Order: sequence, then C-alpha cells, then structure tokens
Amino acid sequence: SYEMTQPPSVSVSPGQTARITCSGDALPKKYVYWYQQKSGQAPVLVIYEDSKRPSGIPERFSGSSSGTMATLTISGAHVEDEADYYCYSTDTSGNVFGTGTKVTVL
Amino acid sequence: QVQLVESGGGVVQPGRSLRLSCAASGFTFSTYGMHWVRQAPGKGLEWVALISYDGSKKYYADSVKGRFTISRDNSKNTLFLQMNSLRAEDTALYYCAKDVGYGVIDYWGQGTLVTVSS
Repeated sequence: SYEMTQPPSVSVSPGQTARITCSGDALPKKYVYWYQQKSGQAPVLVIYEDSKRPSGIPERFSGSSSGTMATLTISGAHVEDEADYYCYSTDTSGNVFGTGTKVTVL
Repeated sequence: QVQLVESGGGVVQPGRSLRLSCAASGFTFSTYGMHWVRQAPGKGLEWVALISYDGSKKYYADSVKGRFTISRDNSKNTLFLQMNSLRAEDTALYYCAKDVGYGVIDYWGQGTLVTVSS
C-alpha cells in the first residue's frame, strides 16, 4: 500500500486562511477526500473527489489537487473549525488515510 | 437517518480473539459496501477492511491481513469483524462506516473500544 503525509499541525487566527497539505506519490492518479474529526467525535466528510463539497459543509472549505500534493483550504477559519483533518484515498490494494493534521484556531 | 451502532469491544489478552458487530439502520444495508476503520488512543485514523454490498469482495490493510475477517449478514443488517491473534498494537477504537461508492465513506458509527492487554 502507499502512504500520504500531512503536516502534524497548523495554527491560524480566527478569520485567517488555513491550508493543509497531503502529499503522496500515488496522488496524480487518485481522487483525494478530506475528513474533519472534532475531539471525541466521529469523522465528517468535508471534501470529496479533490474539490467537491458535500451538502451542509460551509463554503469556506475548499480543496484542490495538483501532481503529488492535495490541499484543503479553510478560508476565514472559525473557532469551531478547530479539529483534526485527514486526507483519504482509495485503491484496490487497500484504502489509506493520511497521517493527520491538527488545526488550531486561536 | 443512517445509524451505525458498534458493539463487542472489550479487554482481551494478546493472542486471543474478539468479534465486533455493527447494527445498521436508516438505509438499504444490502446495497452498500461497508468498512471498519480504527483509531489507536491519541493516534490517527487507520483503514482496516472493506466488504462489498453482497459480501463477495473483501479488502484488508496489510497490518491485519490473515488475522482479521470482515463479513456481513444482509438479512439482519449487520456487519462483523472477526479479530484473531490479537496484538497490543490492535488496541483502538473501532468504527463501522458506510461506503457511498468507490471506497469512500459517508457515515460513521461512534465506535467500540478494543483493548489488548495481559
């Protein structure tokens, strides 16, 4: 199976833009999905197929992918966006989560 | 609404077995693939296994291949994970999750905790 690497932490002030990267050699051939996990809760899908937003997810969440790197952007971060974020990709040999990024908004 | 309720977790000694269950409701269980995902205390998410809607196809993470078996009973809307030869590193919160298609997860349960310790 392959690996996807994320920075351990990102810190922003409320209203600023947070960018979370996910890098992996297999990404050029795969869609990336992003999950948000708040403390003590199950994960929630916030971006699918690189850049699409599920219904109910605020417009400040966006995604992009180019080459071996995908990026989740939170434009104008809110205090309630503080959470762990994981990229995810699928493969016939086994699905993989990224290493996870803790986003702090304060 | 979709509900996934896991059960069967607990404390087990290394080398022993445990069977997890997940009761599903709020959707047509027999038409969706299902996953198990785990999260060790204070650690990240780890995908464990996926089973197709009819149980004919099964996929596993390398870390559990040969020890864990995913299965389902569509007549009872229930997903299972049989875990054998358990190790300390299998200690985690185990989530049952619904597949929306192509291996993507859209709904999660709240998890059941498995602790492997002597």
